[in-house]
Amino acid sequence: AQSVAQPEDQVNVAEGNPLTVKCTYSVSGNPYLFWYVQYPNRGLQFLLKYITGDNLVKGSYGFEAEFNKSQTSFHLKKPSALVSDSALYFCAVRDSQDAGKSTFGDGTTLTVKP
Amino acid sequence: EAQVTQNPRYLITVTGKKLTVTCSQNMNHEYMSWYRQDPGLGLRQIYYSMNVEVTDKGDVPEGYKVSRKEKRNFPLILESPSPNQTSLYFCASISRGGRTDTQYFGPGTRLTVL
Repeated sequence: AQSVAQPEDQVNVAEGNPLTVKCTYSVSGNPYLFWYVQYPNRGLQFLLKYITGDNLVKGSYGFEAEFNKSQTSFHLKKPSALVSDSALYFCAVRDSQDAGKSTFGDGTTLTVKP
Repeated sequence: EAQVTQNPRYLITVTGKKLTVTCSQNMNHEYMSWYRQDPGLGLRQIYYSMNVEVTDKGDVPEGYKVSRKEKRNFPLILESPSPNQTSLYFCASISRGGRTDTQYFGPGTRLTVL
């Protein structure tokens, strides 16, 4: 069975500082990993994904994520946080054999303070 | 414009009264999925569909039914709703092929069962 863990319920950073939102995963086979963001009272929006290739993945709004196979991690990062980045972030893993089956983490609330 | 629509957006109902939440996508995707979002539990997959007339259970299918009679629509049916099904529900349509593999989410349906 696949699983995703987001160990931090909440991450607080000051505007302009780098941010990291952590995610670890467990899958059998090759991992298909995703980050989604949910702004208040909105649906989820795709940020970025790792399927194969470079371990550093670049996505929307200046976000990037680093895939680390040995640590089974896929942490979301941004060099300089904005107040508008404040939102709920979800890490997700897709089954490598069954494209319809996805598992999401519990989410991490990011708050960026001016 | 590529989009996933859900109706209704808000629904208050009573225990045992059958209801259907509709979901429609205009992207010609084969895969579609339903999730529920609850505080502290992230998104949990209810059912997903790989194509017309092909569906499979997610992690929390109890109390729900789905159908996929045509490609664009994937309704979620609660035949006898109970208060523990009060939640925020999201439909997603999944692009596949090549390096896409992204979920597009609807705006959500907030359901309250009294």
